[in-house]
Amino acid sequence: DIQMTQSPSSLSASVGDRVTITCQASQDITNYLNWYQQKPGKAPKLLIYDASILDTGVPSRFSGSGSGSDFTFTISGLQPEDTATYYCQHCDHVLRGFTFGPGTKVHVK
Amino acid sequence: QITLKESGPTLVKPTQTLTLTCTFSGFSLITSGLGVGWVRQSPGKALEWLALVYRVDDQSYRPSLKSRLSITADNSKKQVILTMTHMDPVDTGTYYCARMMVVGATPAFDYWGQGTLVTVSS
Repeated sequence: DIQMTQSPSSLSASVGDRVTITCQASQDITNYLNWYQQKPGKAPKLLIYDASILDTGVPSRFSGSGSGSDFTFTISGLQPEDTATYYCQHCDHVLRGFTFGPGTKVHVK
Repeated sequence: QITLKESGPTLVKPTQTLTLTCTFSGFSLITSGLGVGWVRQSPGKALEWLALVYRVDDQSYRPSLKSRLSITADNSKKQVILTMTHMDPVDTGTYYCARMMVVGATPAFDYWGQGTLVTVSS
């Protein structure tokens, strides 16, 4: 089974800062990686798919990059409403296994 | 407009079977590339995928829970049902159903229900 790790597990930053989260897969997953945002008490929301493509309506301050086993999620110009937990997620191409990372909690000061 | 909503018991006793229903609208499960999955979240913990039904009759399960899970779909009723047997207090959490779509190359959950909190306690 493919395992996903994320770092850091949490961070605190100020409005306007640039923050970066990394996600690492236990093996090569090409670009089969999505990123979600989950605000407290709410369902997750898809932000980025295929490692770097923003879902419809997602602000451009969010971005993703990477391929293989190492991926990066960046928020450029942090906003107060970005306080949330962010998860990476992989699925094999035969739909036999969805794996979420452990999450990164982002707090905007 | 695409919506999903979970329904079912809020409290189950240990060893009982949990049955949750996801009622969806705005899409059809017979459409290529679409499915409905269940994801749970224990209090303060990460998201955990449980099961997926794809194009009505193709199912997949989390390997560690496969023996306890069953997922079925009725596209005419626009419902997906998840059953989980032998419930234990560690199964306490919020259960979400979500639409799965192969958005690009990567299957993703692009629409989610609000979630339903299930507590396992005697």
